[in-house]
Order: sequence, then C-alpha cells, then structure tokens
Amino acid sequence: NAGVTQTPKFRVLKTGQSMTLLCAQDMNHEYMYWYRQDPGMGLRLIHYSVGEGTTAKGEVPDGYNVSRLKKQNFLLGLESAAPSQTSVYFCASIPQTEDFSGNTIYFGEGSWLTVV
Amino acid sequence: GENVEQHPSTLSVQEGDSAVIKCTYSDSASNYFPWYKQELGKGPQLIIDIRSNVGEKKDQRIAVTLNKTAKHFSLHITETQPEDSAVYFCAASTMEYGNKLVFGAGTILRVKS
Repeated sequence: NAGVTQTPKFRVLKTGQSMTLLCAQDMNHEYMYWYRQDPGMGLRLIHYSVGEGTTAKGEVPDGYNVSRLKKQNFLLGLESAAPSQTSVYFCASIPQTEDFSGNTIYFGEGSWLTVV
Repeated sequence: GENVEQHPSTLSVQEGDSAVIKCTYSDSASNYFPWYKQELGKGPQLIIDIRSNVGEKKDQRIAVTLNKTAKHFSLHITETQPEDSAVYFCAASTMEYGNKLVFGAGTILRVKS
C-alpha cells in the first residue's frame, strides 16, 4: 500500500540474534500497529502505538519490543530471536479519528522473517 | 477479550457461483466489522465494512450482513470471478482505545474457471 513502507522485506536470522523491523508512514497517521501472520491463525496484534512516544502491548507481545520516537516511524525489535518468531510481520497505520473507518487503515506489504 | 472465529477455512466455487464466508464474535461491545482480501505476497486490503447500527451493506458484487443478536456477520460474493481467488479475513473492533482489530483465521477462496 502506498504510504506504509516496511524494511526489510526478507530476513533470515540465527537463533539468539537481534534485529529491528522498521515501519514508516508518510500520511501523518497517529495510530500504528505491528501484527504477525501465521498459517491458520490470521493476524495477531503484537504492539501498537496511539501517538509519538506511546506504545502498548497487543495480544502476543512477548519477545518483542517497540519504539515510536518519531510519529512517522514504528520500530519492532527482536532482542533474541527464536524459531517461534518465524512469521510474516505486517505494519499498519490509521489516523486518529472518533469516526473510525476501515477505509483509512493502511497495511504495509509485509516482512518475511525466518529464524533458524 | 474479543475472539473471532471464521468459517470455512477453505472454499472452492465454480466461476459465476456465489461464495459465503461466516464469522462469529464474542464481545457484544464490538461495533465495527471489516473484511479484508489478501493476495499472495501482499498486505490485507479492505473490501467492505459494516457498523453495528446497520444490518446489511452492499458494494457491487460484495455484500456483508450483520446479526448483532447472534453475534455473527457474513461476507457474500456473487458472480465470482477467478480474480476473487485470495485469502479473506474478517475482523471486529470495539473502537475503544487504540481502535484495535481482532482478526479471524482467514478463508482461502478458490474460484475455478
């Protein structure tokens, strides 16, 4: 989707290594999210942020950390990668709005992470 | 917290036939229900959504129905075409702090020509 960029797209890690996934959006959106997608389990929320300097835990936060130092960027970190973290990671963003509309949700193209 | 179940997990239909995917949710406070289509190697794309004050919404060949009493909602695709083949996800949200979406597990739709 235009406006939400994830880097890197593909990465292979060894168990115990660390890495950071970057999500960048140029739409001045307030809310940003990190999801992971695994076969047969849909998308599960890892962490989210409702604005610069804020972060909150989602459904499956263990093993991950996040930071939102700048409004346009939301970083997802794996301090010590484990094979269970092999997944496809999606970032998403929406503007803050009381009249929430899914039309304003923008997903990135995904980041494929393999931990061996 | 919210739990969304989606059925079936795979669905094969003949081109031109209709396809129906059903989801149930657990949190009666949920009031926003979007559907996403995901093609191979891409991020999810919104195709239609419905709010709890509406029972049905239609957009060309796609429609969504909502039964708040039974806590289920469905996606209907009519006159299916090969390009409809994809993974479809339903989701639910209470639109409270963070506007977090809870997704179903997904349905792989195959349209055979």
